[in-house]
Amino acid sequence: GENVEQHPSTLSVQEGDSAVIKCTYSDSASNYFPWYKQELGKRPQLIIDIRSNVGEKKDQRIAVTLNKTAKHFSLHITETQPEDSAVYFCAAEDRPLSYDKVIFGPGTSLSVIP
Amino acid sequence: GAVVSQHPSRVICKSGTSVKIECRSLDFQATTMFWYRQFPKQSLMLMATSNEGSKATYEQGVEKDKFLINHASLTLSTLTVTSAHPEDSSFYICSAREQVTGELFFGEGSRLTVL
Repeated sequence: GENVEQHPSTLSVQEGDSAVIKCTYSDSASNYFPWYKQELGKRPQLIIDIRSNVGEKKDQRIAVTLNKTAKHFSLHITETQPEDSAVYFCAAEDRPLSYDKVIFGPGTSLSVIP
Repeated sequence: GAVVSQHPSRVICKSGTSVKIECRSLDFQATTMFWYRQFPKQSLMLMATSNEGSKATYEQGVEKDKFLINHASLTLSTLTVTSAHPEDSSFYICSAREQVTGELFFGEGSRLTVL
């Protein structure tokens, strides 16, 4: 089955700096890679995703890059703000062949220091 | 986006009692729902996959007789923690997969405290 690893587990950055979170996956069949943000005591919410037919996707201050050969993908947050402080989870799925269970990475706790 | 409602958001119960948590997809049909358990500052640990009209598929190490899952309709799945003990205290989150897009939507989570 799929195994997703995520680094770092914790990350502190100064407001305005960039933050990068990296994930690796094991199943070469995976072709969909979402990122979720979970604020303390709240539900995870999808913030950005990328499919295997593209190498990079950007949405305002958030971007995701994918290297299928190396089986890793990264989340990039630029110009960080205190409200970016949360736990971020990556995941890898095989779509559309299998709308199967989603295995999440262990998460990265991001703290943005004002 | 689609909405998944989870109830109750908080529950406190005595040891030995059973607690039921509901997960509803409010504006879409979900043939598949997932139940996760989350400890403080840890990841979402998948407990089981709930399929409408069939038995749930449990992850290794999750006791199916302890955590009863029922997916009676395309919009409702329930998790019952039977004979709860303090070690069952945790944050339980459900998610539902929207059939057309496949996107995953999460409930608000239920914090269970067993005294």
